[in-house]
Amino acid sequence: QKEVEQNSGPLSVPEGAIASLNCTYSDRGSQSFFWYRQYSGKSPELIMFIYSNGDKEDGRFTAQLNKASQYVSLLIRDSQPSDSATYLCAVKGGSGGSNYKLTFGKGTLLTVNP
Amino acid sequence: DGGITQSPKYLFRKEGQNVTLSCEQNLNHDAMYWYRQDPGQGLRLIYYSQIVNDFQKGDIAEGYSVSREKKESFPLTVTSAQKNPTAFYLCASRNSMSPDTQYFGPGTRLTVL
Repeated sequence: QKEVEQNSGPLSVPEGAIASLNCTYSDRGSQSFFWYRQYSGKSPELIMFIYSNGDKEDGRFTAQLNKASQYVSLLIRDSQPSDSATYLCAVKGGSGGSNYKLTFGKGTLLTVNP
Repeated sequence: DGGITQSPKYLFRKEGQNVTLSCEQNLNHDAMYWYRQDPGQGLRLIYYSQIVNDFQKGDIAEGYSVSREKKESFPLTVTSAQKNPTAFYLCASRNSMSPDTQYFGPGTRLTVL
């Protein structure tokens, strides 16, 4: 059974700080990695995806992937109160014919304090 | 206005009744998915369909049924056999072209009384 683990939080950071969200996964064959943001009562929205080892930057967001350590992270620079949400890590690919399915972590609740 | 629509937003049913949740997309995506989310939990896959007239069970398919007669539509029926149906239900679709990502509809919150 594939597992995706996230610290449930809450993670609290002051406005303007860097928020660091972490995710580990159990299936070494996993190929694609996604970060979704979910506001309370709303559906998840895609923030970033990453396929290759290293960093990928998009505005204030940076995704980092280390396949050897089976670790993916999301950094949010200059955090704003509007970034307060639950962040879901999702993984695709690997064993068991899971190329078409995402496995989600339980999410990390981020609170950005003004 | 392209996107994924789910209806209704809120749904209340009595225990023992079957209920069907609607999911429609006009994005011309091939694959569609149904997830269930419980408070403080991640998303768990119920069923998915990669093409019309074909679908596969996800991790928690018991007590649910689906159909995929049209590319745009993937309705989910929650049957009376589902023991704990109260949850937030999310439909998603995926464009098999790059980037290979799933996009979610607004969700339906089902409460069984």
